[in-house]
Amino acid sequence: AQSVTQLGSHVSVSEGALVLLRCNYSSSVPPYLFWYVQYPNQGLQLLLKYTTGATLVKGINGFEAEFKKSETSFHLTKPSAHMSDAAEYFCAVSDGFGDAGNMLTFGGGTRLMVKP
Amino acid sequence: GAGVSQSPSNKVTEKGKDVELRCDPISGHTALYWYRQSLGQGLEFLIYFQGNSAPDKSGLPSDRFSAERTGGSVSTLTIQRTQQEDSAVYLCASSLMYPGQGKATQYFGPGTRLTVL
Repeated sequence: AQSVTQLGSHVSVSEGALVLLRCNYSSSVPPYLFWYVQYPNQGLQLLLKYTTGATLVKGINGFEAEFKKSETSFHLTKPSAHMSDAAEYFCAVSDGFGDAGNMLTFGGGTRLMVKP
Repeated sequence: GAGVSQSPSNKVTEKGKDVELRCDPISGHTALYWYRQSLGQGLEFLIYFQGNSAPDKSGLPSDRFSAERTGGSVSTLTIQRTQQEDSAVYLCASSLMYPGQGKATQYFGPGTRLTVL
């Protein structure tokens, strides 16, 4: 069974500081990995995803993540936080094989707070 | 273009009542998913539809939960005899599946917040 662990349910950074949100996964097959962001009272918006190929993935709003198979990690980073980045972030994994359903298994989420 | 829409945005019901939640996926998307987001359980997969295939119901928590997808488009999630533990945000997502080419991005709707009193 797949699982996702996000270390830190709450992360607080100052505006302009580095953002690092941690995600570790377990999967019996090569995974597809995703980061979604959720603003208050909204649905989930895809930030970026890793399927195959280059392990450093760039997404929207200046975010990027690196797939490290040896560490089973897919941490999300952004060099400089903006106030508008305050939201909840979810890491998710899916089974990358076959044409079966792409059901996502989510981590518990990390709420990012940005201080002025 | 239009994204995934869900209705109602909020639903308050009494314990024991039945509720129906609606999802309109992105036009042309063949795959549709329901998830539940609750404080205690986080984000959980409920059910998946793909084209005309039988749905994958492996995530439904009990037989009080059911869903259908009519005409390969609109989906309705029904919860019978609601319980207080059913209170959650129910999220719908759709994607365009590419047979043999791996997995496509899921686009989420804004959700329906269900409160069972």
